[in-house]
Amino acid sequence: DAGVIQSPRHEVTEMGQEVTLRCKPISGHDYLFWYRQTMMRGLELLIYFNNNVPIDDSGMPEDRFSAKMPNASFSTLKIQPSEPRDSAVYFCASILDRGVTGELFFGEGSRLTVL
Amino acid sequence: DQQVKQNSPSLSVQEGRISILNCDYTNSMFDYFLWYKKYPAEGPTFLISISSIKDKNEDGRFTVFLNKSAKHLSLHIVPSQPGDSAVYFCAASRNQAGTALIFGKGTTLSVSS
Repeated sequence: DAGVIQSPRHEVTEMGQEVTLRCKPISGHDYLFWYRQTMMRGLELLIYFNNNVPIDDSGMPEDRFSAKMPNASFSTLKIQPSEPRDSAVYFCASILDRGVTGELFFGEGSRLTVL
Repeated sequence: DQQVKQNSPSLSVQEGRISILNCDYTNSMFDYFLWYKKYPAEGPTFLISISSIKDKNEDGRFTVFLNKSAKHLSLHIVPSQPGDSAVYFCAASRNQAGTALIFGKGTTLSVSS
């Protein structure tokens, strides 16, 4: 079975450029999460969706960040304009209902470097 | 204000010995706790979980202990193996629909042979 698929795996860009990260959740999963990993803050939740609807975006750091989920099989996280402090690994994760276990399935991450 | 805290950034253990990773939380509403393991260049993967109605859950070499009064949980790995070397994240949530996992900063475990 295909897991959560993220692209690109690596992105190097210059400050001020627009960055778009993409995620395909596991088919049938109805929750999708975007997390960001940094040394200073660890894994922090940015936003999550249920049935394509944003539920909680309080973790989105600034208006420069936006996320969409136009359908059940695709989500994007956009940063515009990007800044060096946005450099991090961005993870997408999905789950079928919160259920009992709460086990999230993560993608391999997108490593973003903003110069 | 971190709701889930892993105060030890790193831990080094010899192969065959016990590894103990600790985690503290501040939100008394949390009632479900999980540990994730992460290798370099990979996403975190689920390891073991525990509900607040239990104080211990065991799965092979991995055991998680929960002390609700102290708002503390720990992950024990016995015996430790070199392949256990990874970053371990503690996570917590309210076990109900519509809530997300809150993670700690992680502890890097190094198991030497």
